[in-house]
Amino acid sequence: GDSVTQMEGPVTLSEEAFLTINCTYTATGYPSLFWYVQYPGEGLQLLLKATKADDKGSNKGFEATYRKETTSFHLEKGSVQVSDSAVYFCALSDRAGGGNKLTFGTGTQLKVEL
Amino acid sequence: DGGITQSPKYLFRKEGQNVTLSCEQNLNHDAMYWYRQDPGQGLRLIYYSQIVNDFQKGDIAEGYSVSREKKESFPLTVTSAQKNPTAFYLCASHGDRGLNEQFFGPGTRLTVL
Repeated sequence: GDSVTQMEGPVTLSEEAFLTINCTYTATGYPSLFWYVQYPGEGLQLLLKATKADDKGSNKGFEATYRKETTSFHLEKGSVQVSDSAVYFCALSDRAGGGNKLTFGTGTQLKVEL
Repeated sequence: DGGITQSPKYLFRKEGQNVTLSCEQNLNHDAMYWYRQDPGQGLRLIYYSQIVNDFQKGDIAEGYSVSREKKESFPLTVTSAQKNPTAFYLCASHGDRGLNEQFFGPGTRLTVL
């Protein structure tokens, strides 16, 4: 079945540091890929998405490129801020698997310090 | 403003009692979903509904029940058969258009005492 693997956290960075959160996936078809962000005590918000190989999703300074050859969708940001502290979830949706269900990774907590 | 509402934000119940969590959306979405979130385990799918009057079990449906009598509402009942109900519950919806993007509510934190 489909699966998503994320690097374990927490990841602790100083403000303005470079961020990478690794995400790899296994899917039977041609999935769409997503990054969601969850701030403390809240629901999930879509951060960015990509639907096909080599697509780059971007939003609020975050980027991720759909790499089919390495089955990866790593999240990057050039300069993090304290306000980026949250839990980040990588997810996929594989239409070949039927329906519109999302498969999530376990989440990576990011802490940004001054 | 369109969106998904969940109520209440915090819910406390005694062990052995059934409890119903509310989820309402005004996005005119056909599909709705319930997830459970536990620390370190990400989100796990409980039930989902692709259309009114129809729903399917997700990966961890045991001890839960749902109904979908109206397009905008998808309540989740946590029954006494659920062995470990304390968790954060998230409702989501998905429209016909788009790229399988799901929109999430703010969540309900259920604590069973």
